[in-house]
Amino acid sequence: DGGITQSPKYLFRKEGQNVTLSCEQNLNHDAMYWYRQDPGQGLRLIYYSQIVNDFQKGDIAEGYSVSREKKESFPLTVTSAQKNPTAFYLCASSTDGQGLPRDQYFGPGTRLLVL
Amino acid sequence: GIQVEQSPPDLILQEGANSTLRCNFSDSVNNLQWFHQNPWGQLINLFYIPSGTKQNGRLSATTVATERYSLLYISSSQTTDSGVYFCAVGKKAAGNKLTFGGGTRVLVKP
Repeated sequence: DGGITQSPKYLFRKEGQNVTLSCEQNLNHDAMYWYRQDPGQGLRLIYYSQIVNDFQKGDIAEGYSVSREKKESFPLTVTSAQKNPTAFYLCASSTDGQGLPRDQYFGPGTRLLVL
Repeated sequence: GIQVEQSPPDLILQEGANSTLRCNFSDSVNNLQWFHQNPWGQLINLFYIPSGTKQNGRLSATTVATERYSLLYISSSQTTDSGVYFCAVGKKAAGNKLTFGGGTRVLVKP
């Protein structure tokens, strides 16, 4: 089946630890995105990538890093610099029609908790 | 950046009722999408609708771009319609990204 997978479903981080969230898609989409969702809130964009080996900061990139070495994969690292990382993290992908993301498809999400 | 406001923030419906959700945005946009997030967190794209009207089963949406708002209609609501509905907008000049509203939380009671 075509879709987006995220792992793990739940992730626990200790103080000062870097953790990496996985996102894989087999939809052959060019663009991929990472969003953060806090309880009762909307989604905020962390990073996005339109092509392999290129990515741009979103609205809340501080304390996060990404890579895009393969079209199918867009991992997100939550660094120790992110002081309030507890949130629900969603990965998405889309075709990149005319420079705008159409029909974004979302993965099931990863819930990150700080111990 | 673009501001996106959704109303009402919460909506409780009896099964079978109709409802209208509203999305106001502060600037002209090239992209507008409606999403549904189920109680387990999964987001599903409902409509890509930067202008005009679309229908998909019991759901329909209308965007009046010149007046900077969009409406999502739910007819004959079912308990499976419960969840949070998000509106998201994008502007080409602002880069390849969507800005989400705060959502409307819908509960459909049997």
